[in-house]
Amino acid sequence: SDVLTQPPSVSVAPGQTARITCGGNNIGSESVHWYQQKPGQAPVLVVYNNNDRPSGIPERFSGSNSWNAATLTISRVEAGDEADYYCQVWDSSSDHYVFGSGTKVTVL
Amino acid sequence: QVQLVQSGAEAKKPGDSVKVSCKASGYTFSGHYMHWVRQAPGQGLEWMGWMNSKSGDTRYEPKFQGRVTMTRDTSITTAYMDLTRLISDDTAVYYCARLTGDRCFDHWGQGTLVTVSS
Repeated sequence: SDVLTQPPSVSVAPGQTARITCGGNNIGSESVHWYQQKPGQAPVLVVYNNNDRPSGIPERFSGSNSWNAATLTISRVEAGDEADYYCQVWDSSSDHYVFGSGTKVTVL
Repeated sequence: QVQLVQSGAEAKKPGDSVKVSCKASGYTFSGHYMHWVRQAPGQGLEWMGWMNSKSGDTRYEPKFQGRVTMTRDTSITTAYMDLTRLISDDTAVYYCARLTGDRCFDHWGQGTLVTVSS
């Protein structure tokens, strides 16, 4: 099954751009989804199908996916973006679902 | 609006079982698979399995096979996750989550803390 690797932490100054990667075997051929989780809260879907945004999610959140890594990009970072972020894919061969290890985004 | 409301926190002893409920509203319950995801303290998200809310079919992550059972009562649009033979490592927040056609989770329950301690 898939193993999804994320950097443990990313630090970014307010107004700058944060990029969070999600690496996995042949991930470029999969649909990658991203969740934001703030302390004590349930995860929230922020990007799905690599680069689509659910309604209500700011345009500052965007995604991309290439052959070796998917990336969540947060533009013009705000203090409220400080959270843990997880990528997720569906393993079609087993019909199982996999989450990345998670990345803590700290706004300096 | 879509809501998933879970049952309250549980304190259990090693060897016990726990059953967590997830009451769904605001959508056609049978039209979406329900998944369960857990998160141990300070750790990441761990997928446990899914249930077809219409047929009751299930599929579990092998790690939990034999200990987890996912069921539903369509008459009250509620999903359940039953975990047996609890150990301290099962201490976690357990979430139900609704699956979309894009195979992502667009709505989550608020989480249920299960604490396993002697």
